Amino acid sequence: DAGVIQSPRHEVTEMGQEVTLRCKPISGHNSLFWYRQTMMRGLELLIYFNNNVPIDDSGMPEDRFSAKMPNASFSTLKIQPSEPRDSAVYFCASRPGTRYEKLFFGSGTQLSVL
Amino acid sequence: KNEVEQSPQNLTAQEGEFITINCSYSVGISALHWLQQHPGGGIVSLFMLSSGKKKHGRLIATINIQEKHSSLHITASHPRDSAVYICAVTFQGAQKLVFGQGTRLTINP
Repeated sequence: DAGVIQSPRHEVTEMGQEVTLRCKPISGHNSLFWYRQTMMRGLELLIYFNNNVPIDDSGMPEDRFSAKMPNASFSTLKIQPSEPRDSAVYFCASRPGTRYEKLFFGSGTQLSVL
Repeated sequence: KNEVEQSPQNLTAQEGEFITINCSYSVGISALHWLQQHPGGGIVSLFMLSSGKKKHGRLIATINIQEKHSSLHITASHPRDSAVYICAVTFQGAQKLVFGQGTRLTINP
């Protein structure tokens, strides 16, 4: 298996532009997570899906952020409009099923908003 | 408040030394994870445990549920072990992981 695949690896954009991050979880995994990592706040959960349904989006910073999972093999995280404070590394992770199982992380997307 | 605290924040040691990284949490948990993040940025899950001890190669993870404490040990440390080690827990009744701030480990040759 190729693991969790994220794209792009790096994204540089200007303030106000729309940014879309993509994630393909490991085949057969039922849960998908979007995390954000910054120097100041470390790793934070943004949203997670179980069987393609959003379960907890309380970590989504504000209405500028939205996430979708149209099917079991694809998810997007969109920021519109982007702001410099959104600059961070965004990780996608998946796991087979319950909370008692390991997480598998993608390589992350380094986002820089100028 | 549900919190996760790691210590030390930074640790530098010589190759071959025995390493211990600690994690404490505030209330009952259903699972605890140890993650490794290398300088390149990728995150790997090392262990998931809810009781007792787990071992993988030179890495050992223990958890004491009563004391709300976990340790990650590295025996015969090597420069390639240099990374940030992150503790994360799922609190009882919750679904999501709460992360510690990480411990930056540097092993010098």
